Amino acid sequence: NAGVTQTPKFQVLKTGQSMTLQCAQDMNHEYMSWYRQDPGMGLRLIHYSVGAGITDQGEVPNGYNVSRSTTEDFPLRLLSAAPSQTSVYFCASSSWAGTTDTQYFGPGTRLTVL
Amino acid sequence: SQQGEEDPQALSIQEGENATMNCSYKTSINNLQWYRQNSGRGLVHLILIRSNEREKHSGRLRVTLDTSKKSSSLLITASRAADTASYFCATERRTGNQFYFGTGTSLTVIP
Repeated sequence: NAGVTQTPKFQVLKTGQSMTLQCAQDMNHEYMSWYRQDPGMGLRLIHYSVGAGITDQGEVPNGYNVSRSTTEDFPLRLLSAAPSQTSVYFCASSSWAGTTDTQYFGPGTRLTVL
Repeated sequence: SQQGEEDPQALSIQEGENATMNCSYKTSINNLQWYRQNSGRGLVHLILIRSNEREKHSGRLRVTLDTSKKSSSLLITASRAADTASYFCATERRTGNQFYFGTGTSLTVIP
C-alpha cells in the first residue's frame, strides 16, 4: 500500500492564480481531510469528507474548495491564491464508523504564494 | 481557535530521561490522539485514547486522559535521541467529525 500520497511536493504561485492540490489514498478510508500548518499554529482543519459525495467545512475553509467524487481522491482547490495561503498543506485519511480512528498523513505540499 | 494546547512549548532532556507533555482541550470529545512530526515531515500517529478510557500504554509511551479536567498527558520513558521531534495532541469533538490539533511540544533529546 502507498498510503496517502500528495502532489506536488512544492509549488510556487503568483497572487490570483488558481491550482489544485492532489490527495489520494489506497486504504479504502471513508474519512479524508485537509489541514494547513503554519509556524507556531499547529495544524488547522480546512475541509473534510466522511465519504464520496459528502464534504464539510473545517476551521479555516475560506479560499478553498473540495470535492469527493471517489473514495480514493480528495483534491483541494485554491480559487485565487493569496500570500496568506502560503503554508504547508497536509492531507489525511482515516477509517470512519461514526467516529474517526487513526489518521494517516501524507508527506505534505509546501506552497508559496508571491 | 485551537481546540488543544500543549504544554510545555519546548522541552530539552538528556537521553535516558523521561519526557512528559500535557494537552488541554475545551469541549467534550470522542477521542484524543497523539502524533509525532519530525522536522519537515508529515505526522505519524502514536496512540489513540477514547473518552471512556483513562490510561493506555504502547511500548515506551504512556497516555492518560482526564475528561473532568479536559486534559491528557503523554509520557515517553527512557528517551532516545531519535525521539527528538514535535509532538501534537488532536481531539475529535463529540459533535461533528472535526479534528483539532494543538500547537505542539518541541522535544529535544540530547545524546
